[in-house]
Amino acid sequence: AQKITQTQPGMFVQEKEAVTLDCTYDTSDPSYGLFWYKQPSSGEMIFLIYQGSYDQQNATEGRYSLNFQKARKSANLVISASQLGDSAMYFCAMRVISSGSARQLTFGSGTQLTVLP
Amino acid sequence: EPEVTQTPSHQVTQMGQEVILRCVPISNHLYFYWYRQILGQKVEFLVSFYNNEISEKSEIFDDQFSVERPDGSNFTLKIRSTKLEDSAMYFCACSASWDTQYFGPGTRLTVL
Repeated sequence: AQKITQTQPGMFVQEKEAVTLDCTYDTSDPSYGLFWYKQPSSGEMIFLIYQGSYDQQNATEGRYSLNFQKARKSANLVISASQLGDSAMYFCAMRVISSGSARQLTFGSGTQLTVLP
Repeated sequence: EPEVTQTPSHQVTQMGQEVILRCVPISNHLYFYWYRQILGQKVEFLVSFYNNEISEKSEIFDDQFSVERPDGSNFTLKIRSTKLEDSAMYFCACSASWDTQYFGPGTRLTVL
């Protein structure tokens, strides 16, 4: 079974500063993908970034980067130059990609990020 | 940019009533999913659907739930006899293959 752990229920960051949201995962499958989603107060789930288990480089998407440390089973999200609009709940998720497995995402409990002006 | 749409945005129903939640996935995506999120909790997988049949379902997806792709564009989740504990945000998602799942805006279901 897969498990995602997000140990920070809430985080605060000053506008324009960088912030790291932690995510650790547990799986015995060698092939998996890690995702981060943003959920603003309006409720929708917005895809931010993806990292495959065999990717050699850390994923980046604009101000988002994923600090992937495979040996430690961690996939932390780094947001650079925080903006007020970044205030939201952030979910880390994983799915295994091995043959015959389901495509379902397993989510962590989320981190509520508040960006302070 | 293509997006997933869901209707209604909010559904209020009486306990024991049937509800149908509707989703229009991204047009060239082949895999469809329903997830739910009880207020303040994590997002939970309900069911995945591919090639007009269920691929996998979670323990939550019991006989009260069903999914259907009636016309090649819509993807529906039916709850036959709603319970108070079915109150949650229900998300539809889709993916082109095994990669990123794109979520709809959700339907907030309130069971009274």
